[in-house]
Amino acid sequence: EDQVTQSPEALRLQEGESSSLNCSYTVSGLRGLFWYRQDPGKGPEFLFTLYSAGEEKEKERLKATLTKKESFLHITAPKPEDSATYLCAVQASGTYKYIFGTGTRLKVLA
Amino acid sequence: DVKVTQSSRYLVKRTGEKVFLECVQDMDHENMFWYRQDPGLGLRLIYFSYDVKMKEKGDIPEGYSVSREKKERFSLILESASTNQTSMYLCASSLGTGKAFFGQGTRLTVV
Repeated sequence: EDQVTQSPEALRLQEGESSSLNCSYTVSGLRGLFWYRQDPGKGPEFLFTLYSAGEEKEKERLKATLTKKESFLHITAPKPEDSATYLCAVQASGTYKYIFGTGTRLKVLA
Repeated sequence: DVKVTQSSRYLVKRTGEKVFLECVQDMDHENMFWYRQDPGLGLRLIYFSYDVKMKEKGDIPEGYSVSREKKERFSLILESASTNQTSMYLCASSLGTGKAFFGQGTRLTVV
């Protein structure tokens, strides 16, 4: 069964304290792995797509990496405005469905 | 950029009512999805559609139906609303493979 697990569930960081969020996945052939950011009461906002092991994408303080079993979202020198829930999703070969993890709630303290 | 618009941000309905949630996308995407999001459970797929009049059940279709009469519009129907359907409902669309674009969500409360 295709599955996505994110850890930790919640993370509190001081401003400037770098860290990483983990997304472990089990799929029968990976078509794509997606990272989203979701602010309270809003829909998820797209961040990155990764397609193959070894691939990396960067945007401002965020960097996403991919291996054959997991993806990491690295946050460098975070700011309070980075506080949000970060969601990971996979799309398996042969389907258009997206399977989501339960997310990591990030709080960055000033 | 793609815009996915859900008809309501907040809805309050009574138990037993028939409820319609509407979603419209403006980028000619083939695929459209309805998810519900609950604390600790993440996003769970209710139904998705890969073409006009085509639909497939997701992981939790019980108590819901969908309609896609036009490519840009995907409706979620709660046949007889119950309190356990109180949730945040999210519509999304995508062009084949690749990223999905989400609407702003509808917070539905069934009393």
